[in-house]
Amino acid sequence: AQSVAQPEDQVNVAEGNPLTVKCTYSVSGNPYLFWYVQYPNRGLQFLLKYITGDNLVKGSYGFEAEFNKSQTSFHLKKPSALVSDSALYFCAVRDVNTDKLIFGTGTRLQVFP
Amino acid sequence: NAGVTQTPKFRILKIGQSMTLQCTQDMNHNYMYWYRQDPGMGLKLIYYSVGAGITDKGEVPNGYNVSRSTTEDFPLRLELAAPSQTSVYFCASSYRRGSGGGSTDTQYFGPGTRLTVL
Repeated sequence: AQSVAQPEDQVNVAEGNPLTVKCTYSVSGNPYLFWYVQYPNRGLQFLLKYITGDNLVKGSYGFEAEFNKSQTSFHLKKPSALVSDSALYFCAVRDVNTDKLIFGTGTRLQVFP
Repeated sequence: NAGVTQTPKFRILKIGQSMTLQCTQDMNHNYMYWYRQDPGMGLKLIYYSVGAGITDKGEVPNGYNVSRSTTEDFPLRLELAAPSQTSVYFCASSYRRGSGGGSTDTQYFGPGTRLTVL
């Protein structure tokens, strides 16, 4: 079965430091991977996606993600965190059997001033 | 464009009551989805629609019904509310060219409806 795992419930980082939010996946075939962000009391917003091509994908708000096939990972990164980046982050993978998105359980990012 | 809009934002129901959660999108998207979000559980797909007049079950459809009479609207119906349906409900839409697999579409989400069943 297709799945994604976000091993950290929460990530804490100081403003200005680099941040990483981890995601690993399990799919058959080529993975289509997504990152979404959810701010308090808001819906999910698309950040970036990997379909094919370069392993480093650049997205909104200065975020990027690195696709690593050998480690089956798709970690979200940002070189310098902002307090306004504090939110809930979801990794998702397209289920090749149903063509639907399967979401991870989410990682809460807290950036401290 | 307003994007995806949902009403109401909040609602409290008594057990056994019914209600309809409204969802409208103005992006001319053909695909629409309903998810529920429970704490620590991520999002679970309830129902989805690939176009007007076509709907199908997702992962957790029990206790819900949907209809898609127009491209813009995709209401979710709860017939007999139960405490297990206390959740935050999100509607989403996307555009796909043609049918079949290989979707790379980006889904756009509404702001959500927070439902409590007591």
